[in-house]
Amino acid sequence: GENVEQHPSTLSVQEGDSAVIKCTYSDSASNYFPWYKQELGKRPQLIIDIRSNVGEKKDQRIAVTLNKTAKHFSLHITETQPEDSAVYFCAALPVTTDSWGKLQFGAGTQVVVTP
Amino acid sequence: GVTQSPTHLIKTRGQQVTLRCSSQSGHNTVSWYQQALGQGPQFIFQYYREEENGRGNFPPRFSGLQFPNDSSELNVNALELDDSALYLCASTLAGHWDEQFFGPGTRLTVL
Repeated sequence: GENVEQHPSTLSVQEGDSAVIKCTYSDSASNYFPWYKQELGKRPQLIIDIRSNVGEKKDQRIAVTLNKTAKHFSLHITETQPEDSAVYFCAALPVTTDSWGKLQFGAGTQVVVTP
Repeated sequence: GVTQSPTHLIKTRGQQVTLRCSSQSGHNTVSWYQQALGQGPQFIFQYYREEENGRGNFPPRFSGLQFPNDSSELNVNALELDDSALYLCASTLAGHWDEQFFGPGTRLTVL
């Protein structure tokens, strides 16, 4: 089955700096890669996603890149703000017959943005 | 949106628990995830048309139901301390796997 690894586990950045989180996946059948932001005690919230036919996607201060050959994808947050502090999860969605709808999550990255 | 009940629950080892999820309107598939403290959500199982449609690495004491109105239950028997976690359900329309919407979760504590 799919296995997703995420690094780093914690990331401290100064306000205004950039943050980068990296994930690798194992199943070449995965074709959808969402990123979630989870604040303490709340549900994961989808912040950006990318499909396997796209190499990069940007939404304001957030961007995601995908390298299918290397099986890795990354989240980039520019001009970080204190409200970006949260746990971020990457995930991969394989679309084989035994994996329909089964999101495989990374272990998460605790991002702390200090003013 | 997706709703879950209860919000919090405290049980003791060996007890049984039932968690509930109401899907977003129009969705016919529900997936359940377990999120232990400090970890990413882990897929438990998925229900479509009232039948289990895929299962993760969870023992049989984790079971589920889906009802004709597409709401769902997660049942856990013989609770263990390690079952303490946030349980999330996510609903979607079959085939639209990239449009999963998470509920707020149920925080289960096993003492």
